[in-house]
Parts: sequence; structure tokens; C-alpha cells
Amino acid sequence: GNSVTQMEGPVTLSEEAFLTINCTYTATGYPSLFWYVQYPGEGLQLLLKATKADDKGSNKGFEATYRKETTSFHLEKGSVQVSDSAVYFCALIGGSYIPTFGRGTSLIVHP
Amino acid sequence: DTGVSQNPRHKITKRGQNVTFRCDPISEHNRLYWYRQTLGQGPEFLTYFQNEAQLEKSRLLSDRFSAERPKGSFSTLEIQRTEQGDSAMYLCASSLTVQIQETQYFGPGTRLLVL
Repeated sequence: GNSVTQMEGPVTLSEEAFLTINCTYTATGYPSLFWYVQYPGEGLQLLLKATKADDKGSNKGFEATYRKETTSFHLEKGSVQVSDSAVYFCALIGGSYIPTFGRGTSLIVHP
Repeated sequence: DTGVSQNPRHKITKRGQNVTFRCDPISEHNRLYWYRQTLGQGPEFLTYFQNEAQLEKSRLLSDRFSAERPKGSFSTLEIQRTEQGDSAMYLCASSLTVQIQETQYFGPGTRLLVL
């Protein structure tokens, strides 16, 4: 079956530091890949997505590239802000329409 | 377009009681999903509808759980004879199927606490 593995958190950074959150996946076929963000007390919000190999999704300074050869979709941001503190979820949707989520990675950004 | 809404946002109940949650999807979306999320975990799929048809149910969805989407618009999720292990955030999401791998839009969730 499909699976998503994310690096364990929390990831703690100072403001303006570089962020990488690793995500690798196992899936049959050619899934679409997603990053969602969840702020405290809220539901998940779509951050970015990529639907085929070598696509780069980007939004609000965050980027992730769909790497089929390494089955990865790592999330990066060049300079994080305190307001980026949240939980980030990597997910995939394959041919079954049912998404598979990772366990989430908590990001804490200090001023 | 006001996004996906869920009611209530919080529910506290005693073990053995029944609870019902409501989800209103984005108006033109034909797919509606229910998930359960516990602390420190990602959302776990429970069930989904395409229009009014319930197409798939997870093995997580015991016979105490039932979901409906009677007119293909809003949906309800009922839990009968609640147990403490049912305490979780219940998330609803909707999507428009224009291609096989569509983007889902989530509501804020209903947090259930069973005492």
C-alpha cells in the first residue's frame, strides 16, 4: 500500500534560518504529492502540490520538488518567520482517490 | 465560496452517548471526505462520498460509525455509544473531481472529547 514518511519533529529554528522538512513516499503508479500546513486549533490548509515528476510546487516562499528517482518531496524555505510555526503534513494521492498522510512535522520558529 | 464548514467545533460527551457532526462542503464540490486525527498523527481516512453515494469506508469505521450525504451536499457523521477511544479531531474535506488526483480542501474540524 501507499505510505508517507516524514522526518520527526519538532524542528526548532531561529527566524530567517533555512528550513528543510524531509518527506519520502512509497506508492504504485504516479501519485500527486502535497504539503499541507496546520496552525494550532485549525484544519489543514493546502500549502503546495506537484502532480508529476520534476514538477516544483511553490507558495508563500515554500518550495518542494517531486523527485521520482528518490521518491521524495522535501519541503524547503529560504528564510522562515515566526508566523511559519505550525505542523506540516506531506501527503500523496494515488489512483484510489484516498490520500495518505504522513505523521506531520512540527516547526517552531523563535524570534 | 466560504470554504468547508463544520459544526460543532467542539463537543464534550459522556461515554455511551451518541453524537452527530455536520460538514458543509464547498458548494460545487462533488466529493466529500471524513477523517479522524489524533494528537501527533496525520489525518486517517474514514470514508468518502461522491455526490450522495458512499464509495469507500475504512476498516477504522466500526459499526458504531455512520455517515450520510443525503442530497449530495452537506454530510453528517454519527457515532453511537461513544467510547473514550473516539476522542479525536474529526475533519471533513471536499474536492471537485476534474482529474483523478484532485486537491482536497479541509474544514476546521470538530474536536470530540468523550469522558
